[in-house]
Amino acid sequence: QQPVQSPQAVILREGEDAVINCSSSKALYSVHWYRQKHGEAPVFLMILLKGGEQKGHEKISASFNEKKQQSSLYLTASQLSYSGTYFCAAAEAGNMLTFGGGTRLMVKP
Amino acid sequence: DAGITQSPRYKITETGRQVTLMCHQTWSHSYMFWYRQDLGHGLRLIYYSAAADITDKGEVPDGYVVSRSKTENFPLTLESATRSQTSVYFCASIQFAGNTEAFFGQGTRLTVV
Repeated sequence: QQPVQSPQAVILREGEDAVINCSSSKALYSVHWYRQKHGEAPVFLMILLKGGEQKGHEKISASFNEKKQQSSLYLTASQLSYSGTYFCAAAEAGNMLTFGGGTRLMVKP
Repeated sequence: DAGITQSPRYKITETGRQVTLMCHQTWSHSYMFWYRQDLGHGLRLIYYSAAADITDKGEVPDGYVVSRSKTENFPLTLESATRSQTSVYFCASIQFAGNTEAFFGQGTRLTVV
């Protein structure tokens, strides 16, 4: 079963903040976040591991609640380049990596 | 060049035909994945592989077959293509999903007419 993301779409003005949420019904080893521009492949942003370790982007932060199997991605002071579709991905036992349905983010000038 | 490549980039095929999508990675990553991307569904896992000769079903495996005789290659075959398999297909590789990032190929846009 795919992780569930919310909201499905967000429209921001440059400089505004946004939070994207991701929830899984299964026990996770880690949560990944990716961004996809139109017509391109998804690109890695960040991975959150059990125990709080994070690897990834300098200007984007995220959290991982291991007990609730939930993660949130925080985009602060958004830039035009942040526009795209954001996906969370759940890494489960056996190294299966399943993606959420995506959150479309549009940043306007 | 190091990376992960898919071929073809675009493919049009007729209903009932067999078609194979190729995926090749140069990092010797253990794990490889096939996803399909459709509007409203995000990326759905079709099949994945933990190593050569080890494959497993994902969320939507029906109508697809995979093989992995060599670590670097992971072809996806549609045995008898249907219109519902019209989609963009992405291949990805990762060393270990628990703590390393996945790298994606450029995608293959498949149209079944």
